[in-house]
Amino acid sequence: QKEVEQDPGPLSVPEGAIVSLNCTYSNSAFQYFMWYRQYSRKGPELLMYTYSSGNKEDGRFTAQVDKSSKYISLFIRDSQPSDSATYLCAMVPNQAGTALIFGKGTTLSVSS
Amino acid sequence: DVKVTQSSRYLVKRTGEKVFLECVQDMDHENMFWYRQDPGLGLRLIYFSYDVKMKEKGDIPEGYSVSREKKERFSLILESASTNQTSMYLCASSFSGTYGYTFGSGTRLTVV
Repeated sequence: QKEVEQDPGPLSVPEGAIVSLNCTYSNSAFQYFMWYRQYSRKGPELLMYTYSSGNKEDGRFTAQVDKSSKYISLFIRDSQPSDSATYLCAMVPNQAGTALIFGKGTTLSVSS
Repeated sequence: DVKVTQSSRYLVKRTGEKVFLECVQDMDHENMFWYRQDPGLGLRLIYFSYDVKMKEKGDIPEGYSVSREKKERFSLILESASTNQTSMYLCASSFSGTYGYTFGSGTRLTVV
């Protein structure tokens, strides 16, 4: 079993839709959870950052972590064509000398 | 505007050549990372460094080495390039103990 699983999609939605992106993981030591957004021909950029369980909201974006189920989600409300990108989940244990482990990314396309 | 700069956007090299990929950050970050990104495989960690002259192997270090002589610069070296090293290479950096990485725009390397 891979440490981090993410459905690659592609996911196509109309403008204004609510989008749900998900990752599952196997390592219960993971403590920090992130979502990165990557536009075509660009490097990933940090979108959301969550420590341990719970929800975090930033504008149209909500990140959710359920450590009991080893499941994280990113919700995008009122999706826009500018949200079309690849979304990567990433996580790491609370342990010095470690680096982020990324999911494979989900490609999202929002049509106007 | 903080930046991670990768020296080349596109690079074409021949099999057996020694290849240097350069990464420079201007944020005084302690940590620096090299990932490669391939379709269907996502981002995979090659090497990372949490201090000058320090290096740690990631998940796929074979065929690569790194050099960090100055805090702001982290070089990835392909000792003898092979066609299976054709990939997008992404450099990232972060402050010590944090996981919000700043990525460069990537170097697309083709080995022929």
